[in-house]
Amino acid sequence: EVQLVESGGGLVQPGGSLRLSCAASGFTLSNYWMHWVRQAPGKGLVWVSRIDRDATSTSYADSVRGRFTISRDSAKNTLYLQMNSLRDEDMAVYFCARDLVTNVLDVWGQGTMVTVSS
Amino acid sequence: QSALTQPPSASGSPGQSVTISCTGTSSDVGGYEYVSWYQQHPGKAPKLKIYEVTKRLSGVPDRFSGSKSGNTASLTVSGLQADDEADYYCSSYAGSNTYVFGTGTKVTVL
Repeated sequence: EVQLVESGGGLVQPGGSLRLSCAASGFTLSNYWMHWVRQAPGKGLVWVSRIDRDATSTSYADSVRGRFTISRDSAKNTLYLQMNSLRDEDMAVYFCARDLVTNVLDVWGQGTMVTVSS
Repeated sequence: QSALTQPPSASGSPGQSVTISCTGTSSDVGGYEYVSWYQQHPGKAPKLKIYEVTKRLSGVPDRFSGSKSGNTASLTVSGLQADDEADYYCSSYAGSNTYVFGTGTKVTVL
């Protein structure tokens, strides 16, 4: 079964760091572009970051560029999102998603909650 | 990277149709044929319904259809069913390897 499972969310103070993981099963992560998308409580979906198949190209939303880093471990078939200098507005459920082509996010994880609070 | 504009809500009776608009700019919706639509039930992950403006993901019923004119894309759900009650989001490629989602529309089946 094709599946994505996120982990690593939790409570962090403003200015702190957290690393999210997204473990893939049923397919090879490195064959696809992969995204992180977030959703603040009661709010809409917001695109965060993308990594290409070769992991040579990454892109970020303006709101996280310079603070977040997307990466991948092919041996572990796992996607990561390193989040530094966290702000109140980063509090959200973070989803990882597989991209079939361009903007065709066909498989999503269940999400992991990041709470930023002192 | 401003969110695409969607109406906050839409509704229809069972069996009727509802159409949701998604308005962007020439830098996103109007500039590419990479518009997708997602359905999200409360507390669940989004599910892809439509991609590349008009294509249905395998297994999605033909009650769901997409279109685009200029900077505005639309999703039509015909033959409304109870399970169609959910939040719907459009998404577009926005150039330079960036993407943007819509503000979301809550569809209510009356």
